[in-house]
Amino acid sequence: RKEVEQDPGPFNVPEGATVAFNCTYSNSASQSFFWYRQDCRKEPKLLMSVYSSGNEDGRFTAQLNRASQYISLLIRDSKLSDSATYLCVVNNQGGKLIFGQGTELSVKP
Amino acid sequence: EPEVTQTPSHQVTQMGQEVILRCVPISNHLYFYWYRQILGQKVEFLVSFYNNEISEKSEIFDDQFSVERPDGSNFTLKIRSTKLEDSAMYFCASSVVGGVVYEQYFGPGTRLTVT
Repeated sequence: RKEVEQDPGPFNVPEGATVAFNCTYSNSASQSFFWYRQDCRKEPKLLMSVYSSGNEDGRFTAQLNRASQYISLLIRDSKLSDSATYLCVVNNQGGKLIFGQGTELSVKP
Repeated sequence: EPEVTQTPSHQVTQMGQEVILRCVPISNHLYFYWYRQILGQKVEFLVSFYNNEISEKSEIFDDQFSVERPDGSNFTLKIRSTKLEDSAMYFCASSVVGGVVYEQYFGPGTRLTVT
């Protein structure tokens, strides 16, 4: 089983749509959880950390379910500029981040 | 806004040559990392560095790789004898101690091409 597994993409959605990304992780001892976005051939950029209570940042909402080892990201009212690859990232211990393969999002006019 | 910087942006080298990739982490950060991403694949952890020593390294980080913090600002990754399969984007990252310790901020990367 992969350490971090994400929905295969790509997701093609119209502007204004709501889109949800799902992610599962295999290590129940995982400690920290993040969503990064990566534009083509660029560095991963931290979108948000994910907390057990769930957290929201503008149009973005992240949820964590430790019992199911499941993380989600919801994007509301999607914009053209949201087009990117979304990376689910887990930290088990120490500083080592474990990345998922990423889910590509394409927002069309 | 402070950011991680990396040089060069693109490095082309011949197989068997040594390369040094350079990074300047965010100034108040104390943990430093190298990751790599082969084209079309996921980002992979190479090594973490804290207090002038390696904290953790992956299986990829073999004897051909080394890291160093030669002065108060730079953090380098050296590959002693490059192989074709070392061709990848190499990202440096840093994080601050305290708060959400493992929120890591990435530099723009160095594209390494080994011919």
